[in-house]
Amino acid sequence: DIQMTQSPSSLSASVGDRVTITCRASQSVINFLNWYQQKPGKAPNLLIYAASSLQSGVPSRFSGSGSETDFTLTISSLQPEDSATYFCQQTYGRPRTFGQGTKLEIK
Amino acid sequence: QVQLVQSGAEVKKPGASVKVSCKAVGYTFTSYGISWVRQAPGQGLEWVGWISPSNGNTEYAQKLNDRVTMTTDTSTSTAYMELRSLIYDDTAVYYCARRGAAAGTYRFDPWGQGTLVIVSS
Repeated sequence: DIQMTQSPSSLSASVGDRVTITCRASQSVINFLNWYQQKPGKAPNLLIYAASSLQSGVPSRFSGSGSETDFTLTISSLQPEDSATYFCQQTYGRPRTFGQGTKLEIK
Repeated sequence: QVQLVQSGAEVKKPGASVKVSCKAVGYTFTSYGISWVRQAPGQGLEWVGWISPSNGNTEYAQKLNDRVTMTTDTSTSTAYMELRSLIYDDTAVYYCARRGAAAGTYRFDPWGQGTLVIVSS
């Protein structure tokens, strides 16, 4: 199985900050990498697909980059509603594995 | 509006079976796959498997392969996930998600609201 490792596991940032979350794959996943946002008690919501494509309806402050094994999710200017847990997911290998999640809190 | 509507919460005893449904609304059911993902309390996301409504092809997580069966009813645009011989570690929220191709890769969107399955004696 392809292992997905996110860092940090949690972080706290202020409104307006630029926030970066990283995801590393144990082997190349090309660009088969998605990012999801999950708020408490809710289903995950797709933010980024194919490593860098913004899902329709997602605010442009979210962006993704990377390829092969190293990927980044960036929030350019943090908003209060961005408080959530973020997961990366690879869909290149089977099974389709997820990172362990990064919990983002607003100071 | 594209959405997936799941069945309600279940409480089952160890050794029993559970069948969760996922009704697709607002799109052509046979044009996309349905994936199932579960999340144990306070934990991360675990891929359970996938089914193609167009031809019934399935793929399951190896650790659940002998206990899980996914099916679809194209007449009602509904997908089902049955898990047998339940153990305490199966306690989780089970999500269905539409799996589609995009930019040469795959994405899971949208997701159902989730179905809580509690295994308790």
